[in-house]
Amino acid sequence: GAVVSQHPSRVICKSGTSVKIECRSLDFQATTMFWYRQFPKKSLMLMATSNEGSKATYEQGVEKDKFLINHASLTLSTLTVTSAHPEDSSFYICSARGTSGVYNEQFFGPGTRLTVL
Amino acid sequence: AQTVTQSQPEMSVQEAETVTLSCTYDTSESDYYLFWYKQPPSRQMILVIRQEAYKQQNATENRFSVNFQKAAKSFSLKISDSQLGDAAMYFCAYRRKTGTASKLTFGTGTRLQVTL
Repeated sequence: GAVVSQHPSRVICKSGTSVKIECRSLDFQATTMFWYRQFPKKSLMLMATSNEGSKATYEQGVEKDKFLINHASLTLSTLTVTSAHPEDSSFYICSARGTSGVYNEQFFGPGTRLTVL
Repeated sequence: AQTVTQSQPEMSVQEAETVTLSCTYDTSESDYYLFWYKQPPSRQMILVIRQEAYKQQNATENRFSVNFQKAAKSFSLKISDSQLGDAAMYFCAYRRKTGTASKLTFGTGTRLQVTL
C-alpha cells in the first residue's frame, strides 16, 4: 500500500525559532499534498493544499507567512513554522494523494508533535 | 459548503458485539465520495471504508460495513464482532469527486471504547 512518512515525529523548540516538517510519499507520486493541524481530542483542521510546483492554497484564517509550505517535488512537501510561539504547539499531519488508481486515495503520514517552549 | 456531522461524541461496545456509528452530511453535489477513517492512540489515520455516491450497494470491508442512505444524506458505519483493537477515534469524511485538489471534509469524530 501507499506509505507517507513524516519527519520528525516529535520536535521541541524555543519560542521565536523556526521548525521544518517534512512529508514524503515513499512509493507513489503525490500530485497533491495536504497539511492538517489537530488539537487534542479534536478533528483534523485543514491548513493548506499544495500541488507540485505551485503555490499552496491556504484555508481561511491560516497565516501563510507563518506556515510556509513548499511542494517542490512529487514526493516531498515541507511545512515550516516560522517564529514559532507556544500557541503553535499542536499535532501536524500531512496527507498525500496521487492521480490514478488506488493512489487517488488520500494517505496520511503518522504526524508530528510540535511543542514550543 | 459541505458539512459533516457526527452526533455521537463517544460510544461504547462490548467485545464481540456490534456497534453503529452515525454520520450525516450536507452537499449539493450528486456524485462524491464518503469515507470512514480510524485514528487509534498512535494517531495514524487509517482508511476503514469508502463509498462512492453513485453506487447504490453499501460498501463492506470484512467486519466493517456502511449503511449509505443518499436521499437522507446519511452514512453510518457498522462494526461487527468488535475487537479491542477497534478502540479509536472514528472520523466520517466527505470529498467531492471532481477536481484534483478536492479536499476531505471531516466530522468531529466519535470515540469508540471497546470493553471486555
